[in-house]
Amino acid sequence: SQKIEQNSEALNIQEGKTATLTCNYTNYSPAYLQWYRQDPGRGPVFLLLIRENEKEKRKERLKVTFDTTLKQSLFHITASQPADSATYLCALVPSNYQLIWGAGTKLIIKP
Amino acid sequence: DADVTQTPRNRITKTGKRIMLECSQTKGHDRMYWYRQDPGLGLRLIYYSFDVKDINKGEISDGYSVSRQAQAKFSLSLESAIPNQTALYFCATGGDRGGNTGELFFGEGSRLTVL
Repeated sequence: SQKIEQNSEALNIQEGKTATLTCNYTNYSPAYLQWYRQDPGRGPVFLLLIRENEKEKRKERLKVTFDTTLKQSLFHITASQPADSATYLCALVPSNYQLIWGAGTKLIIKP
Repeated sequence: DADVTQTPRNRITKTGKRIMLECSQTKGHDRMYWYRQDPGLGLRLIYYSFDVKDINKGEISDGYSVSRQAQAKFSLSLESAIPNQTALYFCATGGDRGGNTGELFFGEGSRLTVL
């Protein structure tokens, strides 16, 4: 069955450093992969997507990479700030648009 | 005003009661979804609708039903609530399928507790 994994342990990063979150998947070849941010008690908010034929995508301090051979996406936040603290979700997007979600990784940026 | 509005935001009910969660959107999207989120698990799809006449079951539809009253409204019902339906429920919308990237827009969530 399709499976998508994110590190379940919280990631603690010192302010100003780069935070890197990992999303691994098996048994699937997604057309796209998306990243969302979720704050406590709030709905997820879309951040970035990357297509299967793209290696890297950037948006301000965010960078996403997509390695279809390794079946892995990395999500980077450079110059991290305490306001970046949240849970980050990755989602595979198949052709029928029924997204397949990871459980999310909680990121904590310490001042 | 929020683009995707869910009501109620919080609800506590008892086993066996009927519950309806409502969702309305002002984004003009055709696609609407209901998900539930439990701690440590990814969002799981309950039902989805690609237009008013199209309703589809997701991976965990048992115990739930939906109604798409209009393009902008999509309701989720629990006919007889049970404790393991205690969860955070999200409504989401998405744009046209053709040429779209699948980005979803979420409501603020409805926290349901079944005692």
